[in-house]
Amino acid sequence: GAVVSQHPSRVICKSGTSVKIECRSLDFQATTMFWYRQFPKQSLMLMATSNEGSKATYEQGVEKDKFLINHASLTLSTLTVTSAHPEDSSFYICSATAQRGADTQYFGPGTRLTVL
Amino acid sequence: GQSLEQPSEVTAVEGAIVQINCTYQTSGFYGLSWYQQHDGGAPTFLSYNGLDGLEETGRFSSFLSRSDSYGYLLLQELQMKDSASYFCAVRDPGAGSYQLTFGKGTKLSVIP
Repeated sequence: GAVVSQHPSRVICKSGTSVKIECRSLDFQATTMFWYRQFPKQSLMLMATSNEGSKATYEQGVEKDKFLINHASLTLSTLTVTSAHPEDSSFYICSATAQRGADTQYFGPGTRLTVL
Repeated sequence: GQSLEQPSEVTAVEGAIVQINCTYQTSGFYGLSWYQQHDGGAPTFLSYNGLDGLEETGRFSSFLSRSDSYGYLLLQELQMKDSASYFCAVRDPGAGSYQLTFGKGTKLSVIP
């Protein structure tokens, strides 16, 4: 149980375009989803926390107008990287918790974004 | 703020035991978790310590001492497939009730 999927797994796009990444909890309802970014050989950096039906809470330094997060249902959250630039190239990972205050986050397989 | 310290790299021999330490400084503390991440993959949950002491799950064990702000992950009977990065993470209420702050990770290399 507790499976989280992400789509796409890899995406290559041109600079200036927008890219949408989907995160789905397949066998549970996710009250909270998290979006992380990870650069090569570095740790996971939390970008934002998303609760179903409410606006995402962004971490300091993360531009909310550039990284649009929508948590439309208890099983789906989307991250849209708008006007992508090469420096946005990274590994984007989502995670989800099955209940509020849960200690265990279940991670998706990640999305490798390359902006040319 | 929150900070977690763990060694950047560890090398160990197949079949041996290795311990990865983690010290933390956080404004609050709800527990210490450990995650494994293989190259190119997503993190997978290994263990969680909310209270002091040792938690054992198969070949992996995790220990916590809240008074020392210290924990470790112990891997026994190392296998080649254990080569991965291991992250400790603290659930810190000061950062939001549900958020984890990750350490920078320890890259474990298991050699024959």
